[in-house]
Amino acid sequence: GQQVMQIPQYQHVQEGEDFTTYCNSSTTLSNIQWYKQRPGGHPVFLIQLVKSGEVKKQKRLTFQFGEAKKNSSLHITATQTTDVGTYFCAGSGSYQLTFGKGTKLSVIP
Amino acid sequence: GAVVSQHPSRVICKSGTSVKIECRSLDFQATTMFWYRQFPKQSLMLMATSNEGSKATYEQGVEKDKFLINHASLTLSTLTVTSAHPEDSSFYICSARAFGAADNSPLHFGNGTRLTVT
Repeated sequence: GQQVMQIPQYQHVQEGEDFTTYCNSSTTLSNIQWYKQRPGGHPVFLIQLVKSGEVKKQKRLTFQFGEAKKNSSLHITATQTTDVGTYFCAGSGSYQLTFGKGTKLSVIP
Repeated sequence: GAVVSQHPSRVICKSGTSVKIECRSLDFQATTMFWYRQFPKQSLMLMATSNEGSKATYEQGVEKDKFLINHASLTLSTLTVTSAHPEDSSFYICSARAFGAADNSPLHFGNGTRLTVT
């Protein structure tokens, strides 16, 4: 079945440093979605990428979808303490979403 | 828009009892709802897909007789953990997809239920 690998599992950064999490799928995806889960909270949808090579930005967050539609990345520029949480990618084949294991981001003030 | 309400947020029960968790879509109709389980520091594990008016589809390894799912209306799905045991303690989260949305469209999550079985 479809598998979605996400690395790293944990990332500790100093406030102001950049952060990147990577997602790889074993199969070609129709789209990829990114969610953020704050500590003690529930996943919240951030963005969806559909096109090969697509790049989308949300303020300090940059999302990329690979040319082969099998990998994706989320990059945060100049992290802030409000960025703390776990970031999940979720890949979609033809039916259901498969979530990666998430990357837990800690930001040291 | 697209608010999903999950209740209760926390529940503590004794071993052997049953617990019902409700998932409601407040401002949209959801023909499909999903139930996930999340262990500490781990990802979301899909347990079952709940379809309004029909039987739920369970993922491999999930006991359907233990985790009863009912999707009686377009805005409500319930998960009942029957004869709960301490190993059932976990964070259970539901999500919903709006009526008419594509199968791979984004999901709207409830706030989750922290179940502790003593």
